[in-house]
Amino acid sequence: DAKTTQPNSMESNEEEPVHLPCNHSTISGTDYIHWYRQLPSQGPEYVIHGLTSNVNNRMASLAIAEDRKSSTLILHRATLRDAAVYYCILRVQYSGAGSYQLTFGKGTKLSVIP
Amino acid sequence: DTEVTQTPKHLVMGMTNKKSLKCEQHMGHRAMYWYKQKAKKPPELMFVYSYEKLSINESVPSRFSPECPNSSLLNLHLHALQPEDSALYLCASSQGAGDYNSPLHFGNGTRLTVT
Repeated sequence: DAKTTQPNSMESNEEEPVHLPCNHSTISGTDYIHWYRQLPSQGPEYVIHGLTSNVNNRMASLAIAEDRKSSTLILHRATLRDAAVYYCILRVQYSGAGSYQLTFGKGTKLSVIP
Repeated sequence: DTEVTQTPKHLVMGMTNKKSLKCEQHMGHRAMYWYKQKAKKPPELMFVYSYEKLSINESVPSRFSPECPNSSLLNLHLHALQPEDSALYLCASSQGAGDYNSPLHFGNGTRLTVT
């Protein structure tokens, strides 16, 4: 199974940019890179996803390395509401079932300092 | 608020009880998922339904029995659970299980305690 590696925790000051790294050296050509975050007492929330090109949306930016073995989630201005566990996930095809599943890794706990 | 609604929010049950968890979405999604999350751990996939048919069962014990009565509803029937089954049970949906480009939408979960 393609797996991801993230730092256990990171800290950021409020209103500063945050770069959350993720390594996925065993990624396959058809694996999409997804990011989700989970705030305390809530279910995971979709943040962004991409395949090869960098992606931007209203929540964040995703920078994908040229060899696709790593990616970085960028929060442009961290707020206290961004304090959460951030999961970098490869959405891979489940063998034989024609379904794609998300398998969560351990994630990075982001703390935002006022 | 999320677009995936799970009920109840909290459930306490004894090991001999039978209970059900419910999940509902009205986004027209055709894939629905059950995940289990223990404290301070990432969610673990349990079941995937695609077009109301079970497509993935991650070797879940038979005391957990999923059901998808229609494309909007997903149930998880619980029977003879053990205290170690206490966890947060998360439901999710996506446009299609075979569509790797569509994100999952999660509910806020049911926190289950087995006594």
